Amino acid sequence: SQELEQSPQSLIVQEGKNLTINCTSSKTLYGLYWYKQKYGEGLIFLMMLQKGGEEKSHEKITAKLDEKKQQSSLHITASQPSHAGIYLCGAGSMTTDSWGKFQFGAGTQVVVTP
Amino acid sequence: DAGITQSPRHKVTETGTPVTLRCHQTENHRYMYWYRQDPGHGLRLIHYSYGVKDTDKGEVSDGYSVSRSKTEDFLLTLESATSSQTSVYFCAITAGLVRNTDTQYFGPGTRLTVL
Repeated sequence: SQELEQSPQSLIVQEGKNLTINCTSSKTLYGLYWYKQKYGEGLIFLMMLQKGGEEKSHEKITAKLDEKKQQSSLHITASQPSHAGIYLCGAGSMTTDSWGKFQFGAGTQVVVTP
Repeated sequence: DAGITQSPRHKVTETGTPVTLRCHQTENHRYMYWYRQDPGHGLRLIHYSYGVKDTDKGEVSDGYSVSRSKTEDFLLTLESATSSQTSVYFCAITAGLVRNTDTQYFGPGTRLTVL
């Protein structure tokens, strides 16, 4: 099965500072998803990366997928209190015996302090 | 918003009782999923469905069964609830037919406590 490792497990950042979260796969990624979750709520889709070297941005959040398609990073510029929450990466399986099955990283908890 | 609702949103039950959670979607998406989320384990797939009456097991399916008799409803049943099944349960859908390039959208979750 494909395992996704996220780092760091948690981080505390001062408001206005940048932060980066990493997601590493043991296998080639064919679709990497980033989600955000606030405590007690469902997951909100942020963006999806598919091609090696691809980079997408939405407001102050940028996600990249490396050329080998085994690692993705999520970067937040000038963090704000609204960026606090848990960020999860996810990917689908491409093997015929596990089609449709998605796996997720354990998540990174982000705390933004004043 | 992918039109996904879950019911109930919160439930407390006792060990040994049956429990059914419901996921309802309004946009005729083909694929539906049930996950549980626990501290230290993240999101884990329980069961998923690729059409009416077509379901398959995920990585943590023991103790759970599912049914999908209509496109819009995907039911998760705990036949005899145990304390280890205390968790937050999420339903999700994918919209299209292309395998893993389809984004998953999640429901609001059901918090289940088994005493």
